[in-house]
Amino acid sequence: AQSVTQPDIHITVSEGASLELRCNYSYGATPYLFWYVQSPGQGLQLLLKYFSGDTLVQGIKGFEAEFKRSQSSFNLRKPSVHWSDAAEYFCAVGATGGSYIPTFGRGTSLIVHP
Amino acid sequence: NAGVTQTPKFQVLKTGQSMTLQCAQDMNHNSMYWYRQDPGMGLRLIYYSASEGTTDKGEVPNGYNVSRLNKREFSLRLESAAPSQTSVYFCASSENRGGGEAFFGQGTRLTVV
Repeated sequence: AQSVTQPDIHITVSEGASLELRCNYSYGATPYLFWYVQSPGQGLQLLLKYFSGDTLVQGIKGFEAEFKRSQSSFNLRKPSVHWSDAAEYFCAVGATGGSYIPTFGRGTSLIVHP
Repeated sequence: NAGVTQTPKFQVLKTGQSMTLQCAQDMNHNSMYWYRQDPGMGLRLIYYSASEGTTDKGEVPNGYNVSRLNKREFSLRLESAAPSQTSVYFCASSENRGGGEAFFGQGTRLTVV
């Protein structure tokens, strides 16, 4: 079974600083990988996804993520954080074989200081 | 485009009461899911339905039942609510071929007192 680990429960950055949120996955083959964002009181919105090909994927709102097979990681990055980026971020993995069920990490809460 | 619609948005129940959370999607997706979200626990899968007429247990199914009424609708029932079921519940849908991202409803905030 697949699993996802987001080692950071909270991350605090200053507005304008760069950001990296960590995600490690466990799966026997190359998985499908996703990053979602959740604003307070809202559902989850897809930021970006990796299926195959180029290991650096671009998403909405200026986010990008890099798939590193050797490290089983899919870290989310943004070069300059805006106050509106404060939210909960979830990494998710989907199996590429068998029953396809998205599995989510526990989330990282991003706090942005002015 | 409505996407995934959940009702109700908020609910307060007394211990032992029952209720059904409704979910409908208009994207013609085969798969539908119910997750619960608790602080520090992320999203945990309660039940899922890979296609119309099939349902399977997820990680935390105890105390819940589901019905895949048709391709559009997937309901979650609490037969006898307990305080441990206080949570935010999310319905989602996706294509069940690999790689289809999940689309989420706005959530139902349930409090059991």
